[in-house]
Amino acid sequence: DAGVIQSPRHEVTEMGQEVTLRCKPISGHDYLFWYRQTMMRGLELLIYFNNNVPIDDSGMPEDRFSAKMPNASFSTLKIQPSEPRDSAVYFCASSPIKARTEAFFGQGTRLTVV
Amino acid sequence: GDSVTQMEGPVTLSEEAFLTINCTYTATGYPSLFWYVQYPGEGLQLLLKATKADDKGSNKGFEATYRKETTSFHLEKGSVQVSDSAVYFCALQAGTALIFGKGTTLSVSS
Repeated sequence: DAGVIQSPRHEVTEMGQEVTLRCKPISGHDYLFWYRQTMMRGLELLIYFNNNVPIDDSGMPEDRFSAKMPNASFSTLKIQPSEPRDSAVYFCASSPIKARTEAFFGQGTRLTVV
Repeated sequence: GDSVTQMEGPVTLSEEAFLTINCTYTATGYPSLFWYVQYPGEGLQLLLKATKADDKGSNKGFEATYRKETTSFHLEKGSVQVSDSAVYFCALQAGTALIFGKGTTLSVSS
């Protein structure tokens, strides 16, 4: 398996534009997580899905952020409109089962909003 | 709520030095504990884990012991190499998602 695949690896956009980040989890994994990494706040959980259903989105910072998982092999994180403070590295991770199992991370998308 | 506290970095060592990165946690119940490593430009990779008290996780010369009495999971390595330079994250899993510490940057020079 190729692991968790994220695209794009880098994104530079202007303030106010819509940004869509994409993730393909490892086949057969039931859980998908979106994290955001910044110097100030470290790694923050934004949202996670179980079997394509959003379970906990309490970490989503504002209504400008939305995430979907239309099928077991694809998820998106959308920011509309984007702001400079959204600049961060966004990671997608997946795991096979809930209990005591590691999460496998993608390489991340580095987002810069200017 | 559940949280992880790890020592502030950066940690700068010479090759073959002994490494300790402290990690303590706050959690209800009995979480699983993890150390992840992030190399420059990469995602996080699992380094080691422990799922119950007194378990020792080990991998690539790194070790950490789950200490319930001190709520700690300190990372150690007897002799670091330049290739160990990376950011190390302590994490716990009490529910479904991992909760991470802020990370400790390790820089090893030859």
